[in-house]
Amino acid sequence: SQQGEEDPQALSIQEGENATMNCSYKTSINNLQWYRQNSGRGLVHLILIRSNEREKHSGRLRVTLDTSKKSSSLLITASRAADTASYFCATVATDSWGKLQFGAGTQVVVTP
Amino acid sequence: DTGVSQNPRHKITKRGQNVTFRCDPISEHNRLYWYRQTLGQGPEFLTYFQNEAQLEKSRLLSDRFSAERPKGSFSTLEIQRTEQGDSAMYLCASSLAQTSGGGFAKNIQYFGAGTRLSVL
Repeated sequence: SQQGEEDPQALSIQEGENATMNCSYKTSINNLQWYRQNSGRGLVHLILIRSNEREKHSGRLRVTLDTSKKSSSLLITASRAADTASYFCATVATDSWGKLQFGAGTQVVVTP
Repeated sequence: DTGVSQNPRHKITKRGQNVTFRCDPISEHNRLYWYRQTLGQGPEFLTYFQNEAQLEKSRLLSDRFSAERPKGSFSTLEIQRTEQGDSAMYLCASSLAQTSGGGFAKNIQYFGAGTRLSVL
């Protein structure tokens, strides 16, 4: 079963705009990660945020984490056509460091 | 190419047949994971190994599924008596199990391109 939900399920924006997607989860976590998946391909790790961190940046990516609300957001600034992909949040639970539990993902389309 | 390699990329089989997939992880990684992904969904965890030991199995992994990692390097996932509901993308990932300061896991997993299974 999926760990949580992502919102929105799909997002369509133009190049240069920002894209924001949200993720909710259910269990206590050690860390939360975001992955990207291009159509029909494997997943690529984007960023990891620990449970004791509230915000993290990597290039054009900004991730926030609110453990009291069990939610996270991913912001992609100044989007490019190459950012078109599905984005998944994944959690590592405090009682199971071995596996990632993924949400259902947000499909992002960036049009030139 | 030193990434995670999965073979075959595509497999078409008839219901009731057995299939086997192979995953070659990044060479220095001690952990290897199998996930299943259906269309429009995120990956679902199936099982993982640390070296040759299978440490966790999901209840999704019925008795028709078996995974091995005999020498702590490559892994195989076998599905016996395939059913149409087994049609999915099977993803393999590997990682180097580490902890960072303060007891936080550093479990960045590197994924292969997957094996797409179609059961007719």
